[in-house]
Amino acid sequence: GAGVSQSPRYKVAKRGQDVALRCDPISGHVSLFWYQQALGQGPEFLTYFQNEAQLDKSGLPSDRFFAERPEGSVSTLKIQRTQQEDSAVYLCASSLGGRQWEQYFGPGTRLTVT
Amino acid sequence: KQEVTQIPAALSVPEGENLVLNCSFTDSAIYNLQWFRQDPGKGLTSLLLIQSSQREQTSGRLNASLDKSSGRSTLYIAASQPGDSATYLCAVIKAAGNKLTFGGGTRVLVKP
Repeated sequence: GAGVSQSPRYKVAKRGQDVALRCDPISGHVSLFWYQQALGQGPEFLTYFQNEAQLDKSGLPSDRFFAERPEGSVSTLKIQRTQQEDSAVYLCASSLGGRQWEQYFGPGTRLTVT
Repeated sequence: KQEVTQIPAALSVPEGENLVLNCSFTDSAIYNLQWFRQDPGKGLTSLLLIQSSQREQTSGRLNASLDKSSGRSTLYIAASQPGDSATYLCAVIKAAGNKLTFGGGTRVLVKP
């Protein structure tokens, strides 16, 4: 079956531009997570949704980062006024929810801010 | 705050040697520990998942052990092959449905 998909796979933005990154979770998965992975480091948690509710956004680095999942399926991570330190791979993961907690990861979006 | 550390950061071995990758975590109150593989430009592939009540998990040439009380896990890869070259990440989860906390990864190169 289809896994988690993300688009675009690569994004180059000029400093100051806004970007929107999309995540399509596995159909029926209740939980959705966003992680940020800087070059040479492990992924770091950004935010978590259960259906359309954003239950944890403690990892968002600043108020320039905003995530939504309005219908409990597709999610969008938006970064306003991008800065060079935002350059990273943004990974999305989904899980069925409840006791079926194992997270399945998408291929990521590589964002480069110039 | 949970911190996960992986040592070494990079490892290079000749084909056929066994690989030993280490992962340590500061808070032993974990629900599960998971090992992932990441190839360049790709997402994460789950390798092994160890529940907190388990001591080890095995899959083919891979074996992962967990010592929750000392905050350590070790991933063993037997008879390494060039195709095993990748970055290996460990991650812990505090409770079902929670976020994963990752280590920095170990970059492995297996030379033919």
